[in-house]
Amino acid sequence: EAQVTQNPRYLITVTGKKLTVTCSQNMNHEYMSWYRQDPGLGLRQIYYSMNVEVTDKGDVPEGYKVSRKEKRNFPLILESPSPNQTSLYFCASSPLEGLDGIYEQYFGPGTRLTVT
Amino acid sequence: RKEVEQDPGPFNVPEGATVAFNCTYSNSASQSFFWYRQDCRKEPKLLMSVYSSGNEDGRFTAQLNRASQYISLLIRDSKLSDSATYLCVVNGLGDGTASKLTFGTGTRLQVTL
Repeated sequence: EAQVTQNPRYLITVTGKKLTVTCSQNMNHEYMSWYRQDPGLGLRQIYYSMNVEVTDKGDVPEGYKVSRKEKRNFPLILESPSPNQTSLYFCASSPLEGLDGIYEQYFGPGTRLTVT
Repeated sequence: RKEVEQDPGPFNVPEGATVAFNCTYSNSASQSFFWYRQDCRKEPKLLMSVYSSGNEDGRFTAQLNRASQYISLLIRDSKLSDSATYLCVVNGLGDGTASKLTFGTGTRLQVTL
């Protein structure tokens, strides 16, 4: 089954304790992206990657890191989480097509993170 | 002004009604447009792409007005199962990053008996 998986689905942690949220896709998509979703603010892009070893900042990259060492995996790293990073996080992937690049994005089920 | 703007709703409509949502975008160089559906706290899923000529998929019709910089979604004969949040999504806001999708905050639809 074609899918994007994220782990963990739920996480409660404390300020400053490093964590990684994994994201994996089995569709051989070039493009992967991380978003956070907050009430009233919608989905905001954190980082994206056009291909292996190619990553770029989105709208809200501060406090986050990513890596793309393999095509299928795109982990999100919070080196020192803070309470303002409490949010619902989505990973997404997409094939790159034509000049416009991105068409349908396939989303993972989400990771609900609480930082106390 | 937000890059992509939607009325948050909620739109409360009876089953069988026709409902329309609009979404405005700020950059005239935007290249492609989509409607996504998101059920409560679940992942967004593509509902339909929006083409310049307008397009229809069953009870759903999407239209694009480049001159006025808005897209619309029309739902006919609303079903209870249509209750969800509808996200307007714009690709490529003219700053050279055609790889960037920008999401609106969503319009919530509640269909009732």
